[in-house]
Amino acid sequence: SYVLTQPPSVSVAPGKTATITCGENNIGSESVHWYQQKPGQAPVLVVYDDRDRPSGIPERFSGSNSGNTATLIISRVEAGDEADYYCQLWDARSDHPGVFGTGTKVTVL
Amino acid sequence: EVHLLESGGGLVQPGGSLRLSCAASGFSFDIYAISWVRQAPGKGLEWVSSITGGSERTYYAASVKGRFTISRDNSKNMMYLQMDSLRPEDTAIYYCAKVDVWYFDSWGQGTLVTVSS
Repeated sequence: SYVLTQPPSVSVAPGKTATITCGENNIGSESVHWYQQKPGQAPVLVVYDDRDRPSGIPERFSGSNSGNTATLIISRVEAGDEADYYCQLWDARSDHPGVFGTGTKVTVL
Repeated sequence: EVHLLESGGGLVQPGGSLRLSCAASGFSFDIYAISWVRQAPGKGLEWVSSITGGSERTYYAASVKGRFTISRDNSKNMMYLQMDSLRPEDTAIYYCAKVDVWYFDSWGQGTLVTVSS
């Protein structure tokens, strides 16, 4: 079964680009989804199916997935982007198919 | 607008039982899978269980299989999680989430379950 590894933390200056990785062998063969969670709040879907954005999510949020790494990119970072971010996939071949990544705390300097 | 509201959390002793409920509105409830996702204090998200729209299939995390049972009542737009043989490590906020092709596109605000003597 998949174990999705994320860096524990990423720090970025306002206006710069934050890159959050989600690693696992051959993750590029799966659809990966990303969630943002601010303190005390429920998670919010920000990217689905590797690179699509739900309505209401800014274009600054983008995603990619290839080989052994899926990536969430936040462009022109704002203070309001400070949050925890989680990747997720559904492993249909597993008896326990729901999998979340370990999570990344994004700090805006 | 999709709305999900969890209830039923509380304090329970180890070995005890609790039943969580999730009330849904704002979408065609019976055609979507629904899931439970939990978050232990200060920890990350953990998928717990999912059930398809017509209850054809259920899925469980290894950590809860055999102890938790997911179900739904489409006539009432309700989903449930029966939790038995609870352990301290089950202490968490439990979220219900609407599922769209196996990502979680809408979430409730969560209900806190505390397992402690």
